[in-house]
Amino acid sequence: DTEVTQTPKHLVMGMTNKKSLKCEQHMGHRAMYWYKQKAKKPPELMFVYSYEKLSINESVPSRFSPECPNSSLLNLHLHALQPEDSALYLCASSQARENTEAFFGQGTRLTVV
Amino acid sequence: GENVEQHPSTLSVQEGDSAVIKCTYSDSASNYFPWYKQELGKRPQLIIDIRSNVGEKKDQRIAVTLNKTAKHFSLHITETQPEDSAVYFCAANWEIGGFKTIFGAGTRLFVKA
Repeated sequence: DTEVTQTPKHLVMGMTNKKSLKCEQHMGHRAMYWYKQKAKKPPELMFVYSYEKLSINESVPSRFSPECPNSSLLNLHLHALQPEDSALYLCASSQARENTEAFFGQGTRLTVV
Repeated sequence: GENVEQHPSTLSVQEGDSAVIKCTYSDSASNYFPWYKQELGKRPQLIIDIRSNVGEKKDQRIAVTLNKTAKHFSLHITETQPEDSAVYFCAANWEIGGFKTIFGAGTRLFVKA
């Protein structure tokens, strides 16, 4: 199984809503990532988890809250988002060592209204 | 900070011609350089990668070269086909507490039949 699965595929939320994005992989990868991708732009790293511990936070606003409940799951909790947070949110995973390929999920397309 | 520059932003070639995309990176600590292809509405997918102990790698019509001294790496696609049309991202990978991948801005490749 070389799949990274993200749910939901699409999400529309109001600025006062609370929602969560979910990501799952069963490749035994111990590094997991959240990226944000705006239209016609590259993926922009948000968070890195290594062995279920947050190892990198790229100065992401606190309205985005990541969680890694176990080695297969990664969540991104959303609260009080702004319209400019609308984007494609990509999850990825890799082995927790240098020089290794990252596998991406298909993404959640988020629209904040 | 870490940075990856990618050129050109758009590339249009005739079917059968070659395409070359060039990237430079800022941090000499980087040891892994993946290339991703992203079709419209889809996830980034790895097409080839190169590690710092190798100067060149080839996989069928795709090749990547790396010059660590100059901090340059390039993607070469030969005998291009319409299905090669997509956005291509170069990336560089660092270990800084966690495993950080920074993407170039992307090259939109059009292959005209």
